[in-house]
Amino acid sequence: LQLQESGPGLVKPSETLSLTCTVSGASISSTGYYWGWIRQPPGKGLEWIGNVYYSGSTYYNPSLKSRVTISVDTSKNQFSLKLTSVTAADTAMFHCATIGPRSGYFDSWGQGSLVTVSS
Amino acid sequence: EIVLTQSPATLSLSPGERATLSCRASQSVNTYLAWYQQKVGQAPRLLIYDASNRATGIPARFSGSGSGTDFTLTISSLEPEDFAFYYCQQRRNWPLLTFGGGTKVEIK
Repeated sequence: LQLQESGPGLVKPSETLSLTCTVSGASISSTGYYWGWIRQPPGKGLEWIGNVYYSGSTYYNPSLKSRVTISVDTSKNQFSLKLTSVTAADTAMFHCATIGPRSGYFDSWGQGSLVTVSS
Repeated sequence: EIVLTQSPATLSLSPGERATLSCRASQSVNTYLAWYQQKVGQAPRLLIYDASNRATGIPARFSGSGSGTDFTLTISSLEPEDFAFYYCQQRRNWPLLTFGGGTKVEIK
């Protein structure tokens, strides 16, 4: 199972950050698997953003919920993140990751995509 | 929200020494806690799940213990490749997940 993030590395303040995670080696529709996003500001710790199930059910960090949308495209074996109204505080490495069946923990991770918010 | 507090922030040790890292939860998470290792420039790697179970391929020198609100990750004898950042994560509040702030294990 491999995950690869893709998307713009630079986003302007107040705009929307968009990232896609492409899954290979497994079907994103596999029963029991959840697909998530985690971010890490430079020099800081990990922050869970949210998860999506192949059915489209989503679960978000309450602190980001008003600005986050995570969606899944089963035909492309991808899932995506949108974060609106970004500021410099949203500058971070964004990782996509997967939670296995009955796990609750992230057991496979993408290498990450650095997104800088700057004008 | 369940808050996880890790201590110490930095642990300075020599290769061969024993490392003891702490993760304390603001409320009971039973044993629904994991530990991750992250090396600079890399993605995190799952080490321990459900407090005390080693993930696939993780060496036996890594062990986890605890339940309720207090948890410990122990590295019995530090290898050079073990100097890294370590994070705990709870799933007690599934589907809402939280990470601890991390502990850096550095070479003394």
